[in-house]
Amino acid sequence: SAVISQKPSRDICQRGTSLTIQCQVDSQVTMMFWYRQQPGQSLTLIATANQGSEATYESGFVIDKFPISRPNLTFSTLTVSNMSPEDSSIYLCSVELWGAWGNNEQFFGPGTRLTVL
Amino acid sequence: GDSVTQMEGPVTLSEEAFLTINCTYTATGYPSLFWYVQYPGEGLQLLLKATKADDKGSNKGFEATYRKETTSFHLEKGSVQVSDSAVYFCALSDAGNNRKLIWGLGTSLAVNP
Repeated sequence: SAVISQKPSRDICQRGTSLTIQCQVDSQVTMMFWYRQQPGQSLTLIATANQGSEATYESGFVIDKFPISRPNLTFSTLTVSNMSPEDSSIYLCSVELWGAWGNNEQFFGPGTRLTVL
Repeated sequence: GDSVTQMEGPVTLSEEAFLTINCTYTATGYPSLFWYVQYPGEGLQLLLKATKADDKGSNKGFEATYRKETTSFHLEKGSVQVSDSAVYFCALSDAGNNRKLIWGLGTSLAVNP
C-alpha cells in the first residue's frame, strides 16, 4: 500500500488566481494520476503523470489550465490556473502500486477541496 | 463510451440492517469492476474488485458479483455497522487500459446505532 498526502487540504481562492496542489507519496511510484470531483459529479481523470515525461491529459483538460510537474518518483504538483468558480472541486491524486489484491491498484490521497469565489 | 450508473443516496440504515447499493455499467469489451469506499476525512480505498463475469469480490463482509447478463455489480452486506458509514463508489476499468477508471457518482451511507 501507500501513504499519500496532499497539501493544502482545502483552500478558498479568488477568481483569476492560481493554486498549486502538492501530492507526496511515501514510496517510489512510476504512475501518478490527478482527478477532479466536482460537486454532485463522479471523479474525472484530468491527467496521468509519469516521472521524466510530459503529463498525458484527458479530453477536455489542457496543460495551460492544469500544468503538472513530476520532478521525482515520490512527488507531483497540479496547478489550477486562472481559476473561475467552475473550478471549485475536490482534486485528488492517486498512484498505482502492487496491492493486496495481487495486481496493480490505485491508491488515493485525501483530496484538496478548492472553492473559487 | 463506457459509463457507470450508481444508486443515488443518501442511504440511511439502522445497525445490523441489510445493505444493497446498486451499480450498473455500460462498456465495450470486458471491463474489471471495482467498489471503492471513502470514510470521513480519509482517501478513497479499494474495497473489492472482480475481473471477469461471475467473479465475486468480497472484503470486510461486503460482497459484489460481476453479472455480465445484467451488466451489474451490486454491493451487498448482510449486517451493517456504524463504522460502515462512508461514501461508496462503483467504478470500471476498460479492458484495454486497466489504469483508467470510470466512476459512478458515489452513494453516501449513514448507519445509525
